[in-house]
Amino acid sequence: DAKTTQPPSMDCAEGRAANLPCNHSTISGNEYVYWYRQIHSQGPQYIIHGLKNNETNEMASLIITEDRKSSTLILPHATLRDTAVYYCIVRARLDSGGSNYKLTFGKGTLLTVNP
Amino acid sequence: DVKVTQSSRYLVKRTGEKVFLECVQDMDHENMFWYRQDPGLGLRLIYFSYDVKMKEKGDIPEGYSVSREKKERFSLILESASTNQTSMYLCASSFTPLAGGFSGANVLTFGAGSRLTVL
Repeated sequence: DAKTTQPPSMDCAEGRAANLPCNHSTISGNEYVYWYRQIHSQGPQYIIHGLKNNETNEMASLIITEDRKSSTLILPHATLRDTAVYYCIVRARLDSGGSNYKLTFGKGTLLTVNP
Repeated sequence: DVKVTQSSRYLVKRTGEKVFLECVQDMDHENMFWYRQDPGLGLRLIYFSYDVKMKEKGDIPEGYSVSREKKERFSLILESASTNQTSMYLCASSFTPLAGGFSGANVLTFGAGSRLTVL
């Protein structure tokens, strides 16, 4: 499995863009990058995923470098409700084969959005 | 709205008790997962299942077992609860991509969590 490295914490001012980095230098060619977040006392929530092209949805944008060794999750206008732990995950294929997969979560980045 | 429902939000059990944590999903997902979450350790995968009656060990299966008799239900069992199993338990589900394709599967939907305290 490709490992990911994220800073343990970041701060962002309300209304500004939050840029959360993730390093995944051992990622292989067919592995996707997923981002989830977990607001306090809730289960994690899916945000976005991508392979090699930049992706955007209603929640965020995902920028993946050309060599795919790192990525950045961008929340364009952070609000107080975006305060959460953000997880960057690389999909792992089950060793037992088949078309099923599992995700392994690391410790993530605690993003604090300040008023 | 799609949902993963965990039967109990909070449980308090005594050491040595048998504990059942139930999880039900209404999305017809093939895959179901049990994680535990502890401060400073993040989410750790206990067991997962990719089909009815199928199960695979995750990263920390010791002290746990699981049951998947029906597609929509995945149970986590603590045969003899111990204090080091005090934790937040999270259930999740996902669908399986079509063979040869990958269209956004592995998007996990999580339940709200079950906070277990073992005294």
